[in-house]
Amino acid sequence: AQSVTQPDIHITVSEGASLELRCNYSYGATPYLFWYVQSPGQGLQLLLKYFSGDTLVQGIKGFEAEFKRSQSSFNLRKPSVHWSDAAEYFCAVGAQGNAGKSTFGDGTTLTVKP
Amino acid sequence: GAVVSQHPSWVICKSGTSVKIECRSLDFQATTMFWYRQFPKQSLMLMATSNEGSKATYEQGVEKDKFLINHASLTLSTLTVTSAHPEDSSFYICSAFDREYQPQHFGDGTRLSIL
Repeated sequence: AQSVTQPDIHITVSEGASLELRCNYSYGATPYLFWYVQSPGQGLQLLLKYFSGDTLVQGIKGFEAEFKRSQSSFNLRKPSVHWSDAAEYFCAVGAQGNAGKSTFGDGTTLTVKP
Repeated sequence: GAVVSQHPSWVICKSGTSVKIECRSLDFQATTMFWYRQFPKQSLMLMATSNEGSKATYEQGVEKDKFLINHASLTLSTLTVTSAHPEDSSFYICSAFDREYQPQHFGDGTRLSIL
């Protein structure tokens, strides 16, 4: 079975500061990894995804994530946060042959201070 | 591309009524659709997985007779909350999946409020 842990429930950063949101997964084989963002009252928007290949993945809105197999991690980063980045962020893990089914972490709430 | 439309976005109804939520993939054919429930400040809870033309697979603890799922075509799945009660009030989100090496694509969710 696969699982995802997002250790930080809530993170506050100042606008313009760098951001790193942590994600640790548990899965026996090579996982499929995703980061989604959710604004209040909305669905989830895909930020980036990893299936294979280059372990540093670029996404939308200036986000990137790095797959580190040795640490079972897929942390999300952004060099300079904007006020509009305030939202809920979910990390998810899937697997080959699982027909798209993913397991989601509990989410991290990002607050951006002016 | 990969747009998923979910309708309605918000519904308020009286206790005892049934409510249908539609999930459509607009520009791709979804082999699988997922239905989630999300409580405030919490993660997504998978309710069921549906494949076109077959019965949905429900997660443990989800009442099949309460939450009826129909996946009549490759672009449409519906969730009907039957005889809804206040405890069914929640945010329901659908997602659609078409093939390997692709992520799920999410609808914008439906806020259901039962009075």
